[in-house]
Amino acid sequence: KAGVTQTPRYLIKTRGQQVTLSCSPISGHRSVSWYQQTPGQGLQFLFEYFSETQRNKGNFPGRFSGRQFSNSRSEMNVSTLELGDSALYLCASSLTGTADNEQFFGPGTRLTVL
Amino acid sequence: KQEVTQIPAALSVPEGENLVLNCSFTDSAIYNLQWFRQDPGKGLTSLLLIQSSQREQTSGRLNASLDKSSGRSTLYIAASQPGDSATYLCAVISGNTGKLIFGQGTTLQVKP
Repeated sequence: KAGVTQTPRYLIKTRGQQVTLSCSPISGHRSVSWYQQTPGQGLQFLFEYFSETQRNKGNFPGRFSGRQFSNSRSEMNVSTLELGDSALYLCASSLTGTADNEQFFGPGTRLTVL
Repeated sequence: KQEVTQIPAALSVPEGENLVLNCSFTDSAIYNLQWFRQDPGKGLTSLLLIQSSQREQTSGRLNASLDKSSGRSTLYIAASQPGDSATYLCAVISGNTGKLIFGQGTTLQVKP
């Protein structure tokens, strides 16, 4: 069974640009969550999608948005990039996204903003 | 607000030693706790998931315990190997959602 995949693995952008990251969950999983990891703040929750609907959202500005498609694949978009957006972006998938589900992470997308 | 703390931040041990990593959380009303491993520049690998009704889980040389009342979990690694070198993260879920709240991690180095 294939694991969680994320594309691209690496991205370099300049301030003010926008970026779209993609995540394909494990087959059969319907919940996808996104996290940002930085050396200073650690891992922080961005949002979670289930059945094409955003169910939970973390404390990030509106520049961070996402969506989920009918095949459970998810995309995350960051507009008007800032230097502080440089981070490893990780997505996690689980069966239904409820508290009893084990979550599985992808390899991440390393975003560098210059 | 739930906060998760991991001590120590870094640990260096000789190969073959048994070791314990600690995780504490401020709100004991958790649904579950999950331990992860992260290699440098990589994603997270799930090691163990402990449901709130469980006291411990075991997988190979790993054993994780959970004491909700005291707000603590420990990850025990037996007979450590250089391949165990990584950052170990614990995360809790407080509400009935999939939102994980992470500690800052413990970076483990096992010396041959």
